[in-house]
Amino acid sequence: AQKITQTQPGMFVQEKEAVTLDCTYDTSDPSYGLFWYKQPSSGEMIFLIYQGSYDQQNATEGRYSLNFQKARKSANLVISASQLGDSAMYFCAMRENSNFGNEKLTFGTGTRLTIIP
Amino acid sequence: KAGVTQTPRYLIKTRGQQVTLSCSPISGHRSVSWYQQTPGQGLQFLFEYFSETQRNKGNFPGRFSGRQFSNSRSEMNVSTLELGDSALYLCASSPTQNTGELFFGEGSRLTVL
Repeated sequence: AQKITQTQPGMFVQEKEAVTLDCTYDTSDPSYGLFWYKQPSSGEMIFLIYQGSYDQQNATEGRYSLNFQKARKSANLVISASQLGDSAMYFCAMRENSNFGNEKLTFGTGTRLTIIP
Repeated sequence: KAGVTQTPRYLIKTRGQQVTLSCSPISGHRSVSWYQQTPGQGLQFLFEYFSETQRNKGNFPGRFSGRQFSNSRSEMNVSTLELGDSALYLCASSPTQNTGELFFGEGSRLTVL
């Protein structure tokens, strides 16, 4: 079974609109972390936001927020007021912490976001 | 603060050759992990090192190996290259164990002819 599922292969959004990128995950580990990364065409994976499974509040970083719904096992990324520079691939990833010191991330297949002027 | 540095950025090899890729983590970070990214398989975990010890290994053949030095710099090696090894190899670092953020470098793009 897929551990990280991103169901939107591609999205087109008008500039200045908000956009939600979907991510669902599957784990039986009570302790885990969820990440979102942005990958522009240059290839670098840019860290956007992190949510720990025990965090009480949804994570926010500037224009990025993570809509964490633990019971539904979803961790959607919300980008407010989208900009042309937001056009990129976006990856959701999970780290399961059952093994102490485990830094292995499992990635979804990504969503290609295109911002339209 | 300098980010994760990977060298070389681009390289071309032929089948049967071997290649070594280098990763310098963010200063103070002790954990380094490696990922392979291909269009067909997406992002896949290769291995992770902490304090010069391999703590975790992905499902790759023994041709893929790595090591970490005392200054936390890491290298990965691929021997007997195959066409399917063409990929973007990404290195990531984090300060310690199971911390929140994991930072990636720009990657080394390997083409095998």
